[in-house]
Amino acid sequence: AQSVTQPDIHITVSEGASLELRCNYSYGATPYLFWYVQSPGQGLQLLLKYFSGDTLVQGIKGFEAEFKRSQSSFNLRKPSVHWSDAAEYFCAVGASGGTSYGKLTFGQGTILTVHP
Amino acid sequence: NAGVTQTPKFRILKIGQSMTLQCTQDMNHNYMYWYRQDPGMGLKLIYYSVGAGITDKGEVPNGYNVSRSTTEDFPLRLELAAPSQTSVYFCASSQSQGSAYEQYFGPGTRLTVT
Repeated sequence: AQSVTQPDIHITVSEGASLELRCNYSYGATPYLFWYVQSPGQGLQLLLKYFSGDTLVQGIKGFEAEFKRSQSSFNLRKPSVHWSDAAEYFCAVGASGGTSYGKLTFGQGTILTVHP
Repeated sequence: NAGVTQTPKFRILKIGQSMTLQCTQDMNHNYMYWYRQDPGMGLKLIYYSVGAGITDKGEVPNGYNVSRSTTEDFPLRLELAAPSQTSVYFCASSQSQGSAYEQYFGPGTRLTVT
């Protein structure tokens, strides 16, 4: 079965600082990987996705993520954080086929606080 | 284009009561999902549907039921509410065939069972 671990429950950064949120996955084949963001009181919004090809993927709002198969990781990065980036971030993995197609498994989430 | 809408936004139930959480999408998506979100636990899939008339269990289906009579609507029924069902519930939808993972989420329903 697929699983996702986000080791950091809460991260605090200063505005303008760089950001890296960690994500490790477990899946037997090549996974489909995603990062979603949830602003307070809102539903989730897709930030970026990896299906295949280039291991560095670009998303919305200036975010990027790198797929590293050898480390089973898909870390999210942003070079300069803005106060509006404060939110909860979820990494997710989807099966690339079979009866689980279309179903996502989410990590526990990382809450990002941004100090002015 | 409203996307995914959910009603109600908030609800308090007494133990043993029943209710239906409504979910509607206007994007003509085939796939629809119900998740529950508990603090520190991420989102857990309750039920999902790949089209009208087709539903299947997710990771945590006990205590819930669903139906999908139209493409647009995917209501979630709670029978005999229990305190363990206190949670925030999200409905989501996506297209099929390659875009199934680009899920669009509703704003959520916060449910308290006391």
